[in-house]
Amino acid sequence: QQPVQSPQAVILREGEDAVINCSSSKALYSVHWYRQKHGEAPVFLMILLKGGEQKGHEKISASFNEKKQQSSLYLTASQLSYSGTYFCGVIPLPGSGGSNYKLTFGKGTLLTVNP
Amino acid sequence: EAQVTQNPRYLITVTGKKLTVTCSQNMNHEYMSWYRQDPGLGLRQIYYSMNVEVTDKGDVPEGYKVSRKEKRNFPLILESPSPNQTSLYFCASSLLPTRLDIQYFGAGTRLSVL
Repeated sequence: QQPVQSPQAVILREGEDAVINCSSSKALYSVHWYRQKHGEAPVFLMILLKGGEQKGHEKISASFNEKKQQSSLYLTASQLSYSGTYFCGVIPLPGSGGSNYKLTFGKGTLLTVNP
Repeated sequence: EAQVTQNPRYLITVTGKKLTVTCSQNMNHEYMSWYRQDPGLGLRQIYYSMNVEVTDKGDVPEGYKVSRKEKRNFPLILESPSPNQTSLYFCASSLLPTRLDIQYFGAGTRLSVL
């Protein structure tokens, strides 16, 4: 079952902030965030593990609420280069109804940054 | 240079004609997977493999086969393609997705089945 992302689309002016949310019906081991520009491959942004470990790009921040099975990606002082589709992917905890090697992505959030 | 290589990048075929899309990685990764991407549906996993000779179904495996005979290669096979398999396909690899490991994606294969 795919995680649910919100909003589906957002339009910003350069310099504005945005938050993209990701919600799962399963207890999660990890959340992964990727950005895809049109016609290109997805590119890594962040990984957040249950227990607090995380790895990602310096200018990107995210949170992982394990109890609520939710994650949020924070884009601050947006730049034109931030435009693209953002995907969250989740890996469930063992025993929560999925394989612990199966990474399931949401449908994506289209972010457009205008000058 | 670390990379995941998919071939071909573009493919037009006809219904029922068997085809293979190749995927190769040079990072000694254990984990490899195939995704298809369709408008409005995001990335949906077709199959994944945790290591040589270990594969498992993703969310949309019907109509696809895979094999993992070598660690670096993970081909996607469509035995009898149908028009509903027209899509953009991505191969990806990582050490193991349960760690803080980045998934590296190939450039994609755009498949049209007529």
